[in-house]
Amino acid sequence: AQSVTQLGSHVSVSEGALILLRCNYSSSVPPYLFWYVQYPNQGLQLLLKYTTGATLVKGINGFEAEFKKSETSFHLTKPSAHMSDAAEYFCAVSVFSNSGYALNFGKGTSLLVTP
Amino acid sequence: GAGVSQSPRYKVAKRGQDVALRCDPISGHVSLFWYQQALGQGPEFLTYFQNEAQLDKSGLPSDRFFAERPEGSVSTLKIQRTQQEDSAVYLCASSLESTGGDNQPQHFGDGTRLSIL
Repeated sequence: AQSVTQLGSHVSVSEGALILLRCNYSSSVPPYLFWYVQYPNQGLQLLLKYTTGATLVKGINGFEAEFKKSETSFHLTKPSAHMSDAAEYFCAVSVFSNSGYALNFGKGTSLLVTP
Repeated sequence: GAGVSQSPRYKVAKRGQDVALRCDPISGHVSLFWYQQALGQGPEFLTYFQNEAQLDKSGLPSDRFFAERPEGSVSTLKIQRTQQEDSAVYLCASSLESTGGDNQPQHFGDGTRLSIL
């Protein structure tokens, strides 16, 4: 079975500061890893996805994440926070199974951006 | 552009009533997933369809939950004899064919927020 753990249910950063959201995964086989963002009363929007190959993945809106197998981590970063980045962020893992590529999500990290 | 559409956006029902939640996936998407998101939690897998075939329903919480996708397009999640613990946001997602090849990204609808009184 595979799972992810997101460290920190709430993170607060100042506008212009670095965003770092932490995610560690557990998987018995090479996983696919994802970061999704959810704005209030909306569905999930894909930020980025790791499959194989390059370990530094660039996503939308200036976000990127680095896959580190040795640390079983897939942390999300953005160099400079904007007010519009305030949202709920979910890390997810997926491997092919009877449920296709169903996603296993972490509990989420709520990001607050202060002026 | 047409994304995944879910209806209704909000549903309030009394305990014991039956409810039906609809999902219109992106045209041409073979795979369809239902997830349940409790307040303050991440989404949890409920069931998976490939075209009209329900290949996995292991995440459905009880036999009161039933999902179908009879023509391989629109899907309905039905909950019979609703209970208060069924209150949650129900998310639908669709993706291009996923048969063990490349993992195609899932596109999510805005969800149905279900409140059971």
